[in-house]
Amino acid sequence: DVKVTQSSRYLVKRTGEKVFLECVQDMDHENMFWYRQDPGLGLRLIYFSYDVKMKEKGDIPEGYSVSREKKERFSLILESASTNQTSMYLCASLAPPWNSPLHFGNGTRLTVT
Amino acid sequence: GENVEQHPSTLSVQEGDSAVIKCTYSDSASNYFPWYKQELGKRPQLIIDIRSNVGEKKDQRIAVTLNKTAKHFSLHITETQPEDSAVYFCAASIGSARQLTFGSGTQLTVLP
Repeated sequence: DVKVTQSSRYLVKRTGEKVFLECVQDMDHENMFWYRQDPGLGLRLIYFSYDVKMKEKGDIPEGYSVSREKKERFSLILESASTNQTSMYLCASLAPPWNSPLHFGNGTRLTVT
Repeated sequence: GENVEQHPSTLSVQEGDSAVIKCTYSDSASNYFPWYKQELGKRPQLIIDIRSNVGEKKDQRIAVTLNKTAKHFSLHITETQPEDSAVYFCAASIGSARQLTFGSGTQLTVLP
């Protein structure tokens, strides 16, 4: 069974801090994603990566960056956290074929005060 | 880009009744339409999907229908049970789950 692990379940940070959200998958999947989940807005794609050191902007990349130095690890970075980045962050991975299911992590609930 | 609208945002049904959740999409090139279920405190999981070359797909008590002309697709749950209570998300993509656009979600509550 695919395992996608997010390093923190809950995180509280102060405005202006640099925040790292880590995600690791154990199935050698090429594609990895970061989504943000907010009530009434569904899941919105922040960034995704289809290979090591490759990244693509999703629908809401502003204020975020990502890093993929190893195939199994995909990090989301908030360079200077703001209160409007308080949210649930979900990491996911995907294996071929193209219509395979996304495998989500348990999520990180980030609160920025 | 693609835009997916989902209705209703909340839905309450009596146990044993049917539930229907509807989604519309904007990009006629979209050809893959999955549905994800997220139980309280858990991760979203794929429950059913459909490709644009198929009009309907069933899996036990759940079914999805697709109307490409009208650009809408629906999730149907029959004989609802308490364990069906969850948030359901529809999604659409062009050619790949790599760039799914999700709907806003529907909170389904099955009342005993």
